[in-house]
Amino acid sequence: DQQVKQNSPSLSVQEGRISILNCDYTNSMFDYFLWYKKYPAEGPTFLISISSIKDKNEDGRFTVFLNKSAKHLSLHIVPSQPGDSAVYFCAASYLNSGTYKYIFGTGTRLKVLA
Amino acid sequence: DTGVSQDPRHKITKRGQNVTFRCDPISEHNRLYWYRQTLGQGPEFLTYFQNEAQLEKSRLLSDRFSAERPKGSFSTLEIQRTEQGDSAMYLCASAPGPGVTGELFFGEGSRLTVL
Repeated sequence: DQQVKQNSPSLSVQEGRISILNCDYTNSMFDYFLWYKKYPAEGPTFLISISSIKDKNEDGRFTVFLNKSAKHLSLHIVPSQPGDSAVYFCAASYLNSGTYKYIFGTGTRLKVLA
Repeated sequence: DTGVSQDPRHKITKRGQNVTFRCDPISEHNRLYWYRQTLGQGPEFLTYFQNEAQLEKSRLLSDRFSAERPKGSFSTLEIQRTEQGDSAMYLCASAPGPGVTGELFFGEGSRLTVL
């Protein structure tokens, strides 16, 4: 049962344009959402997060939007740069029996074309 | 201490051998997680420690897997009698807590190849 879904395995965007990565979730108990970026042979690096009490969080070129009613979040990167080319993972967390559990999606590979 | 460190970064072993991975979390973090990632998948939860206590283990963690965190500092993940299906990237992450949500800080991972 995939509680966090990233339905687009890959995305190509021209440099300077907007990249939009999407994520859907099924568990209403999730109360914190995160985006991670991963380069080959490296561990995931935290990008940006959002609490379930908010609908938008912005950090420089990165903005995350949360639509709780649709159980959907998205990551916007503007403007996209070649260095943004990586795999992006959406993650959701919730407190369960004293443990903060983090569930990850399968990732979207972003390629920014120069 | 600049981050989570994992050792070794890459391990190649023959089927049936035992392997052990080590994770040194960020020093003030008392939460420690192990994840496994295979090609085309996101990180999958294996186990979680709060200080030295192992509070949860995934069903993915068969009897051949064991994890420890003595004294609540570094952690080890041992795989006994490795199988080819164990080939994956093993990721360690730490976080402050326990009462605080927020980001997990990942190490660079230990890639296991079982021949």
